[in-house]
Amino acid sequence: EIVLTQSPATLSLSPGERATLSCRASQSVGHYLAWYQHRPGLAPRLLIYDASTRASGIPPRISGSGSGADFTLTISSLEPEDFAVYYCLQRGNWPHTFGGGTKVEIK
Amino acid sequence: QIQLVQSGPEVKKPGASVKVACKASGYTFTSSGIMWVRKAPGQGLEWVGWISSSNGHSNQAPKFQGRVILTRDTASTTAFMELRDLRFDDTAVYYCARERAAGTFWPDPWGQGTLVTVSS
Repeated sequence: EIVLTQSPATLSLSPGERATLSCRASQSVGHYLAWYQHRPGLAPRLLIYDASTRASGIPPRISGSGSGADFTLTISSLEPEDFAVYYCLQRGNWPHTFGGGTKVEIK
Repeated sequence: QIQLVQSGPEVKKPGASVKVACKASGYTFTSSGIMWVRKAPGQGLEWVGWISSSNGHSNQAPKFQGRVILTRDTASTTAFMELRDLRFDDTAVYYCARERAAGTFWPDPWGQGTLVTVSS
């Protein structure tokens, strides 16, 4: 089973600042990695799939990069609605697995 | 628009079974699979499994094999997740999600979630 390690566990930032989130895989997943946002009381929302493709309706301030075993989610300028927990998900191998999450909180 | 509506909350005793329903609408049901994910209190998201809506083939995470049964009913465009031999640490919100496009295995969009509480 592929283990995804997300860092940091918590990111304390102010609105307007840049957020950089990391997801590292225990072995290569190619480009088969996605990012999800999860806010309390809501269903998770797909942001990025195939490492760098923005899902429908996702603003350009949110971007994904990386391949193999090292991936990054970047939010260029945090908006109030961006404060949430972010998860990476790999589908390079069965079973598919999620990372442990990064919480982006207001500083 | 594409919608997944899940059945209501459940309270079960340890050792019992629970069956969660996920009613899909707004697209051709057999065109993409359904994934199941859970979120326990204080924990992260956990991938449970996937079922092909067209042929019923499924794949589950090893920790759930033997306890989870994924099925679907194409006539009612509904997918089901049954979890047997419930334990206290199965208490979680269970989500279904449509596979974004056939063969992609990316969950999108998601249902509203079903809270399953295991309590004696």
